[in-house]
Amino acid sequence: AQSVTQLDSQVPVFEEAPVELRCNYSSSVSVYLFWYVQYPNQGLQLLLKYLSGSTLVESINGFEAEFNKSQTSFHLRKPSVHISDTAEYFCAVSKGGSEKLVFGKGTKLTVNP
Amino acid sequence: GAGVSQSPRYKVTKRGQDVTLRCDPISSHATLYWYQQALGQGPEFLTYFNYEAQPDKSGLPSDRFSAERPEGSISTLTIQRTEQRDSAMYRCASSPTTGGPETQYFGPGTRLLVL
Repeated sequence: AQSVTQLDSQVPVFEEAPVELRCNYSSSVSVYLFWYVQYPNQGLQLLLKYLSGSTLVESINGFEAEFNKSQTSFHLRKPSVHISDTAEYFCAVSKGGSEKLVFGKGTKLTVNP
Repeated sequence: GAGVSQSPRYKVTKRGQDVTLRCDPISSHATLYWYQQALGQGPEFLTYFNYEAQPDKSGLPSDRFSAERPEGSISTLTIQRTEQRDSAMYRCASSPTTGGPETQYFGPGTRLLVL
């Protein structure tokens, strides 16, 4: 069975600092990887995804994630965060051909002024 | 519609009562998913539909839980004889096609509290 581990439940950072949210997954087959974000009082939104091709994927608001097959990781990074990035971030995986997403427990990112 | 909608947004019920949650997916989306999210946890898969077919209901925690999508559009999730452990956020999502790994578009969720 697939599982997703988000090692940090809470990450506080100062504005304009870099941040990395860690995600590791366990699967013996090809997987698709996703990061979803939940802003306060809103639903889950897709931030970025890796399906195939380039292992580095980017979002429109400056986040990026790199698929590392040997380390079974898909860490999310941003070189300089804004107050508006405060949200909960969920890493998720789906197995090739499978419909369902398996989510991690989430990481709450708090950006302080 | 413009996005996935769910109703009610909040539901408080007493243990032993039945509840029905509703999901209205994005128009023409073939696939619809239900997830359960307990406090402090990530969403956990319950079941999904391809139009009106329900290929996978392996995530339903017990036979008290059932879901349907009779016309391939709106879906309902029913929990019979609710228990306190059923308290959670119930999330619905839809995606345009079947066969994965399409982006899933989530609704705002229904927060259920069983007293």
